[in-house]
Amino acid sequence: EVQLVESGGGLVQPGGSLRLSCAASGFTFSNHWMSWVRQAPGKGLEWVADIKPDGTEGVYVDSVKGRFTISRDNAKNSVYLQMNSLRAEDTAVYYCARDEFRAAYPWGQGTLVTVSS
Amino acid sequence: EIVLTQSPATLSLSPGERATLSCRASQSVGTYLAWFQQRPGQAPRLLIYLASNRATGIPARFSGSGSGTDFTLTISSLEPEDFAVYYCQQRNDWPLTFGGGTKVEIK
Repeated sequence: EVQLVESGGGLVQPGGSLRLSCAASGFTFSNHWMSWVRQAPGKGLEWVADIKPDGTEGVYVDSVKGRFTISRDNAKNSVYLQMNSLRAEDTAVYYCARDEFRAAYPWGQGTLVTVSS
Repeated sequence: EIVLTQSPATLSLSPGERATLSCRASQSVGTYLAWFQQRPGQAPRLLIYLASNRATGIPARFSGSGSGTDFTLTISSLEPEDFAVYYCQQRNDWPLTFGGGTKVEIK
């Protein structure tokens, strides 16, 4: 069974940092692009970042460029999101997802990040 | 940036009725469009990929159509578990974008 499990969310002060992790199982992780998508409370979905299967290239939404870094460790079947200089507007549930057939499938259960003083 | 506009924002229907959801792109995305369902408190679930292909385990009452800039998700006969929010997403070009969502609610 394909499974994605996120961790690392929590409460952080504005300007702080947090590193999210996503552990994958049930498929050949190194063959797939991986994504992070977020959802602010009561709002819609927003794509955050993608990373190539070999980890050599990451792509970001403009609002997080220069602050967030996506990375992966194919030996550990894991993808990460390093979030620096966090702002209140980064408060959201963060989901990781595998790219399959040019779509996000499946999704993890999400991890909540709250940026507040 | 490709903007996806979903309509209507809310669809009020009864179980057994047909639901037709629209997603319009500001420029062509070919067939690189997916549909997702999100129930309250749950992660999104892929329904349709590449505009018209049902994902694994998705019932046949869900169907997708369209290409270029105009796409439709149809639920042929609503079941109680289908009342949820539906999102489209394009994967033709970065930044990847989602539509604002259509809430299908019980009338």
